[in-house]
Amino acid sequence: DAKTTQPTSMDCAEGRAANLPCNHSTISGNEYVYWYRQIHSQGPQYIIHGLKNNETNEMASLIITEDRKSSTLILPHATLRDTAVYYCIGVYNNNDMRFGAGTRLTVKP
Amino acid sequence: GAVVSQHPSRVICKSGTSVKIECRSLDFQATTMFWYRQFPKQSLMLMATSNEGSKATYEQGVEKDKFLINHASLTLSTLTVTSAHPEDSSFYICSPGGGTDTQYFGPGTRLTVL
Repeated sequence: DAKTTQPTSMDCAEGRAANLPCNHSTISGNEYVYWYRQIHSQGPQYIIHGLKNNETNEMASLIITEDRKSSTLILPHATLRDTAVYYCIGVYNNNDMRFGAGTRLTVKP
Repeated sequence: GAVVSQHPSRVICKSGTSVKIECRSLDFQATTMFWYRQFPKQSLMLMATSNEGSKATYEQGVEKDKFLINHASLTLSTLTVTSAHPEDSSFYICSPGGGTDTQYFGPGTRLTVL
């Protein structure tokens, strides 16, 4: 699985877009980029995943660079409930997820 | 997404006792089960992987005789922490696999060993 690098922490104002970066320069061609988040004392929650193309769902958008060495998770209108640790994971298939340290996002009023 | 339950959600036990944690995949058949643990202020660490009907594969540093995993059916896996000690206090999370194209996680079980 690809090693990923994320900033330790980020702040975002409520109502603004939260842009969470992730570097995965060693990702291989058939590894997907998955994003999860973990709210305190809960299990990880799936957000979105992609391979090459940008993806959007009801929770977020995922922008993957053309060289696939990095990606950005976008929460378009952050709310206080989006405060969590966000994990970016590069994985060959959907199983055997290995978590890094993640980014602690704090949404402030 | 897939529905995963864990029981109990939290448990407190005395040192030396054994604790069983159940993980159920409620809406798909989990041919694989991943067990993670998470210590305070740390990330999730994969402990072991089990396939239905076969023995689990443990990650380096995880004692297979201490953390017993049973995956006898496609909807239920159990993790038993035997002879628990305070250093086993952690947040244990299961994740069934094999039935969907996305991995989902249980709500976790917080174990406190006194």
